[in-house]
Amino acid sequence: EDQVTQSPEALRLQEGESSSLNCSYTVSGLRGLFWYRQDPGKGPEFLFTLYSAGEEKEKERLKATLTKKESFLHITAPKPEDSATYLCAVQASNGGATNKLIFGTGTLLAVQP
Amino acid sequence: DTAVSQTPKYLVTQMGNDKSIKCEQNLGHDTMYWYKQDSKKFLKIMFSYNNKELIINETVPNRFSPKSPDKAHLNLHINSLELGDSAVYFCASSLQGRTEAFFGQGTRLTVV
Repeated sequence: EDQVTQSPEALRLQEGESSSLNCSYTVSGLRGLFWYRQDPGKGPEFLFTLYSAGEEKEKERLKATLTKKESFLHITAPKPEDSATYLCAVQASNGGATNKLIFGTGTLLAVQP
Repeated sequence: DTAVSQTPKYLVTQMGNDKSIKCEQNLGHDTMYWYKQDSKKFLKIMFSYNNKELIINETVPNRFSPKSPDKAHLNLHINSLELGDSAVYFCASSLQGRTEAFFGQGTRLTVV
C-alpha cells in the first residue's frame, strides 16, 4: 500500500537555527513528490515538485531533495514567518489516469524570534 | 484573482440536514478534486474529476455526491449530515499528468 510518513510531528526552532524535515515514502512507482506549506485556516500552498532521485529544488530559505526512499526539506536560517505545517505528498505511477496525492500527516514548524 | 475558490468558508448545520459546497477554478485546469482534512490535519482524497468525468471515488459514503457541470466547477453535495462529517473540505485543481495541485481555502463544516 502506498504510504507517506513525515517526521518529526512537530519542530521548534530558534530564528536562524537550520534544520531538516523528513518525508519517507513507500509507493509502487513514484510519479512525483510534492511539498506544500499550510498556514492555519488556509489551504495547502504548493512549494516544490521532485520527480527523480538526486533532484533538488530551492526557494528562498527552503531546499528540497529526493532519494529513492525519502525526501528532505532543509530550512536554512529560518525566520518566524516560516512557521507553518509542511506537508509532503506523493503521486504514484500506478495510479493510471488519476492524479491523486497521498499525503503525510505533516510537520508543524514553529520558529521563535 | 483567486485561483481556486470555494464557498462557503464556514458551514454550521444540524445532523440530518443536506448541504452543498461549491468550488470554482480559473486556472484552466482539466482536473478537480475534493479532499477531506480531519481533526489531526490528515488530508485524504475523496473524489477526482477529469474533464467532467469522475475518475476517483475513494470509498466515500454515497451520502456524498460530487457534481461537475463544467471543467471549471466541482460541487459537493452532502445528504443526511452526520457528526462524523465535521471536517475541513478542500477543493483543488491541476492539469492531467505529473503536475502539482492548487488548493482552495477550505470549507470548515461543523455538524451539531
